[in-house]
Amino acid sequence: EVQLVESGGGLVQPGGSLRLSCAASGFIVSSNYMNWVRQAPGKGLEWVSVIYSAGDTYYADSVKGRFTISRDNSKNTLYLQMNSLRAEDMAVYYCARDWSLVDWGQGTRVTVSS
Amino acid sequence: QSALTQPASVSGSPGQSITISCTGTSSDVGAYNFVSWYQQHPGKAPKLMIYDVSNRPSGVSNRFSGSKSGNTASLTISGLQAEDEADYYCSSYTSSSTWVFGGGTKLTVL
Repeated sequence: EVQLVESGGGLVQPGGSLRLSCAASGFIVSSNYMNWVRQAPGKGLEWVSVIYSAGDTYYADSVKGRFTISRDNSKNTLYLQMNSLRAEDMAVYYCARDWSLVDWGQGTRVTVSS
Repeated sequence: QSALTQPASVSGSPGQSITISCTGTSSDVGAYNFVSWYQQHPGKAPKLMIYDVSNRPSGVSNRFSGSKSGNTASLTISGLQAEDEADYYCSSYTSSSTWVFGGGTKLTVL
């Protein structure tokens, strides 16, 4: 059974950094397209980033240059390093598997506030 | 990376059919058959309902169907049921090798 468990969210000041983790089970992270999607409070879904099985990475314009997606094959875990955080980055962050976002985690909440 | 355009809300009575539209551009919806639809109940993670325009994942009811014409994709739900009441989002692959979501549509079952 596929399972995705996000962690690492919390309260951070504007300009601060945070690293989110997505621990996967039931499949191999490095063999799949893995995505991060976020949802600001009361708002819609926003795609954030993807890492291909080959290692290519892509980002939404809103996070390019500030966020970095990566994976640790030995831990079967996906990461999102978030730097220079802004108020508008406040959201629930989901990791999702595959090209069509077939499986989702339960999300981890990031709050950006002073 | 402008969001795809969806109606803010739609409604229907049990047993009826409704259609939710998703309008993009020739750089996303119109360019690729990589349109997906997601259902999200309050406080829950989204669930994939349709992928690649018209394909249903295993376990999704055949009351859900998808189509595309030009720059507009559509999700149709037939035989509306109370549990279909949720938010629905479309998404599309783009020519920038990124993905874009629609703004979401709140479905109310009257």
